Amino acid sequence: ETGVTQTPRHLVMGMTNKKSLKCEQHLGHNAMYWYKQSAKKPLELMFVYSLEERVENNSVPSRFSPECPNSSHLFLHLHTLQPEDSALYLCASSQDRATEAFFGQGTRLTVV
Amino acid sequence: AQKITQTQPGMFVQEKEAVTLDCTYDTSDPSYGLFWYKQPSSGEMIFLIYQGSYDQQNATEGRYSLNFQKARKSANLVISASQLGDSAMYFCAMSPNYNSNSGYALNFGKGTSLLVTP
Repeated sequence: ETGVTQTPRHLVMGMTNKKSLKCEQHLGHNAMYWYKQSAKKPLELMFVYSLEERVENNSVPSRFSPECPNSSHLFLHLHTLQPEDSALYLCASSQDRATEAFFGQGTRLTVV
Repeated sequence: AQKITQTQPGMFVQEKEAVTLDCTYDTSDPSYGLFWYKQPSSGEMIFLIYQGSYDQQNATEGRYSLNFQKARKSANLVISASQLGDSAMYFCAMSPNYNSNSGYALNFGKGTSLLVTP
């Protein structure tokens, strides 16, 4: 199994839908992250969870709602999104004093 | 605040040649880490190489080496003997030592698109 797994890989949703993105890490890490990657923009940090506690909310609109039920799982709940929210959403995990973060393959989200 | 700058939106290199991807950074943190990631069209961010700000020697990892010039705040990636499979987006990123507000969250540059030609 790969270290960080994201599902689904692709998602198309209407602006009135509610959906969730799932991330699972099998590396025993204690921090997990959601990043957003839009076309022609640097990756933007959205949320950080350390030891299952949210430590960062980078001015993300409330239509994005993260959940970290345990140290291995991270969700991003989506509701009433806008077309400009279409992007690649990447999950990552890391460990204290680690030298790198491990990323999942991302969920490519299209809001129609 | 940390800032990463990658000035080359796109680069071409012929197979088997070496290529250098530029990265400069700006930070007031005394301790930080510098990373390079590769992102193929599949979307996954693949870690390539890491350089700590206090490391005395430039990092190397197989065909990848990092030309770290601390005084100039640059951390260029050198790929030797390019292969067709190296065609991808390459991102330079930086992380401070653990930050109580953002853990080890990375700040990324805008990336450089590398195309390796036969």
